[in-house]
Amino acid sequence: AQSVTQPDIHITVSEGASLELRCNYSYGATPYLFWYVQSPGQGLQLLLKYFSGDTLVQGIKGFEAEFKRSQSSFNLRKPSVHWSDAAEYFCAVYSGGFKTIFGAGTRLFVKA
Amino acid sequence: NAGVTQTPKFQVLKTGQSMTLQCAQDMNHNSMYWYRQDPGMGLRLIYYSASEGTTDKGEVPNGYNVSRLNKREFSLRLESAAPSQTSVYFCASSKGREGDGQAFFGQGTRLTVV
Repeated sequence: AQSVTQPDIHITVSEGASLELRCNYSYGATPYLFWYVQSPGQGLQLLLKYFSGDTLVQGIKGFEAEFKRSQSSFNLRKPSVHWSDAAEYFCAVYSGGFKTIFGAGTRLFVKA
Repeated sequence: NAGVTQTPKFQVLKTGQSMTLQCAQDMNHNSMYWYRQDPGMGLRLIYYSASEGTTDKGEVPNGYNVSRLNKREFSLRLESAAPSQTSVYFCASSKGREGDGQAFFGQGTRLTVV
């Protein structure tokens, strides 16, 4: 069965420090992969997505993610975190069939 | 751009009461979805509508019904609310079969059942 694992429930980083949020998926073929961000009281907004081709994808707000087939991973990174990046981040996999599987989310705290 | 609009934003129900959550999208999307979000569990699919005129169960359909009223609107009904249905509900839409799975979300409905 398809699944998405985000090992870290929450992460705290200092403003200006680098960030990496982990995501592992389980799926037989190469899926469509997404990262979404949810600010408090808001819906989810797409940060970036991967379908094929270049395994390093760029998204909005300075985020990027790298697809590693051998590790079944799609980790999200940002070189320098801003206080406004504090939010919850969701990794998701879409394998067709109109269903998207979401990870449990990682809440990011940013300290001054 | 309105995108996906959900109403209401907040609701408190007593156990056994019924209510309908409304959702509308203006992106001409074929597929629409209802999710619930609970702490530590991510988003779980309740029902989806692949296209106008069709609806299907998702991961957690018990206690809910849906109606795809037309291409724009997809409502979620709780016939007899239970405390276990206290959650944040999100409606989403996507292009569907010809799309890539990217979903566009409403701002959510925070429902409390007491």
